[in-house]
Amino acid sequence: DSGVTQTPKHLITATGQRVTLRCSPRSGDLSVYWYQQSLDQGLQFLIQYYNGEERAKGNILERFSAQQFPDLHSELNLSSLELGDSALYFCASSAPGAPGNTIYFGEGSWLTVV
Amino acid sequence: AQTVTQSQPEMSVQEAETVTLSCTYDTSESNYYLFWYKQPPSRQMILVIRQEAYKQQNATENRFSVNFQKAAKSFSLKISDSQLGDTAMYFCAFMSHQGAQKLVFGQGTRLTINP
Repeated sequence: DSGVTQTPKHLITATGQRVTLRCSPRSGDLSVYWYQQSLDQGLQFLIQYYNGEERAKGNILERFSAQQFPDLHSELNLSSLELGDSALYFCASSAPGAPGNTIYFGEGSWLTVV
Repeated sequence: AQTVTQSQPEMSVQEAETVTLSCTYDTSESNYYLFWYKQPPSRQMILVIRQEAYKQQNATENRFSVNFQKAAKSFSLKISDSQLGDTAMYFCAFMSHQGAQKLVFGQGTRLTINP
């Protein structure tokens, strides 16, 4: 158990819909990351938050957005869903301080768009 | 931009054998971090080992060790006395020392340990 908690573990939704994925980081971690794992794109970095502020952005679509709340939990919002958005979405967290700290992953949220 | 390449899509060995997974990366930076993550059938991403580029000594974690060749930009993972529970996808990842603290992953190597 990495200490990173993600909900829901699985969800199935229709095209055009909107979903929210939730993440609680490890105790004491200030950074939260979102990654997408799909068959064709592999593991892709989406976005990073640090203590409530956006720190870095990767290959995140405009239809997707995220935020980190004062209690440090984070949400990833996916809207106008398309079939190609079906993937495993990971949340991860790391401790503050020196760069290069290990990033710990949650169990992921399986999203299926039908 | 940094890239990570894992040239072995699949590997298969017998239990108790030693296996080496290859990883090369491309960067112009001198200071960075390298990781191996394991993803078993449960799909959870589990850290196997971490290497700091400015440390010449190869990292070791029990049966797992790395061969870090900085000049060659190579970072291979050796698994000794392989066990059935080592069956998983293995991902090599790069993290820059500066800028965004994000992981850049290779495409992965699917390792099967046979009884």
